[in-house]
Amino acid sequence: RKEVEQDPGPFNVPEGATVAFNCTYSNSASQSFFWYRQDCRKEPKLLMSVYSSGNEDGRFTAQLNRASQYISLLIRDSKLSDSATYLCVVGVNLIFGKGTKLSVKP
Amino acid sequence: GAVVSQHPSWVICKSGTSVKIECRSLDFQATTMFWYRQFPKQSLMLMATSNEGSKATYEQGVEKDKFLINHASLTLSTLTVTSAHPEDSSFYICSARSPQGWYEQYFGPGTRLTVT
Repeated sequence: RKEVEQDPGPFNVPEGATVAFNCTYSNSASQSFFWYRQDCRKEPKLLMSVYSSGNEDGRFTAQLNRASQYISLLIRDSKLSDSATYLCVVGVNLIFGKGTKLSVKP
Repeated sequence: GAVVSQHPSWVICKSGTSVKIECRSLDFQATTMFWYRQFPKQSLMLMATSNEGSKATYEQGVEKDKFLINHASLTLSTLTVTSAHPEDSSFYICSARSPQGWYEQYFGPGTRLTVT
């Protein structure tokens, strides 16, 4: 099992749609979890940290399920500008998933 | 958020030459910086962890004599690709760990290296 696994997508959704990404991780001792966003040919940018209790930032909601070892990212009312690759990142030394590509269409 | 700069943003060099890439944390001190490489349509791959004042820790499969890392101060780490070859052409990205919070890392804008 890979350390961090994500569905590569692409996810093609219309504007205004709600879309969810899941990510599974293999190291049950992991304590830190993040979602990063990477635009084409750009560096990753931190989108949000994922806390045990779950957290929300505007249209974005992140949740952690330790028992099943997965984290999720929910994007509501998606915008064209949300089109990017979303990277699931686990652990203090940042193990990156391969990313899930999202395309939001008009 | 914290700002990390990287220089140069892109470089084209001839095979056999060496290229130095600088990574700076602009508004915070970073005892730990990281160097990644990303090939087209692939995920970021950690190359090495750079600790201020000590030797870098390289990931398995990364040649430490080819990718020289120096972390001489709390705000600067450099990566030198020695005797570059076309297969070294890639997007090199550094990051610095924030001294606060949940170990978030902030990335530099990356350096696109093309070796001809």
